Amino acid sequence: DTAVSQTPKYLVTQMGNDKSIKCEQNLGHDTMYWYKQDSKKFLKIMFSYNNKELIINETVPNRFSPKSPDKAHLNLHINSLELGDSAVYFCASSQERGSGEQYFGPGTRLTVT
Amino acid sequence: EDQVTQSPEALRLQEGESSSLNCSYTVSGLRGLFWYRQDPGKGPEFLFTLYSAGEEKEKERLKATLTKKESFLHITAPKPEDSATYLCAVLNSGYALNFGKGTSLLVTP
Repeated sequence: DTAVSQTPKYLVTQMGNDKSIKCEQNLGHDTMYWYKQDSKKFLKIMFSYNNKELIINETVPNRFSPKSPDKAHLNLHINSLELGDSAVYFCASSQERGSGEQYFGPGTRLTVT
Repeated sequence: EDQVTQSPEALRLQEGESSSLNCSYTVSGLRGLFWYRQDPGKGPEFLFTLYSAGEEKEKERLKATLTKKESFLHITAPKPEDSATYLCAVLNSGYALNFGKGTSLLVTP
């Protein structure tokens, strides 16, 4: 059973388009996260939700909007995609808020052309 | 501002050749230091949590230690399957994990 799953695994799109990435966890965790890993492999937190409540919102363009319909799902919608948005996006979850022991999904590689 | 610096950026070892990876950090109010392993094309995988200076954790050929300013990941007699990128992260007062840029380890037979 996959603990944290993401769809799609690969996403290739043109500048200006809008796209979404979906994430689901079956671990029963309360907290979920979105991270961005750039071409230099640097992993940076974007957002975190705890029981559907936004608790971390780092300096991210407002073209990025997370949505958590329930505590097992956290989706990421990106409007007006730019070349600089190309990266690997990881979803993660943890048992509770403030836990550094996080379980990551396989990642979604987004390429904007 | 929290800062996590890992060294070296890349390390190549012969199978059986022990070594250490370094993670130095500055954070206001350390809530924990974490080590992760990331294989190519996959998400990071949690390895260890360290909370206080002097603490040590072990798992197979890996041992993580913590001082007030840095953490070391010691790899004893590594095998090719230990090849991966090792990431260090600190949890800040805002409950966010701040990652270092990682050390890419290659173990050759």
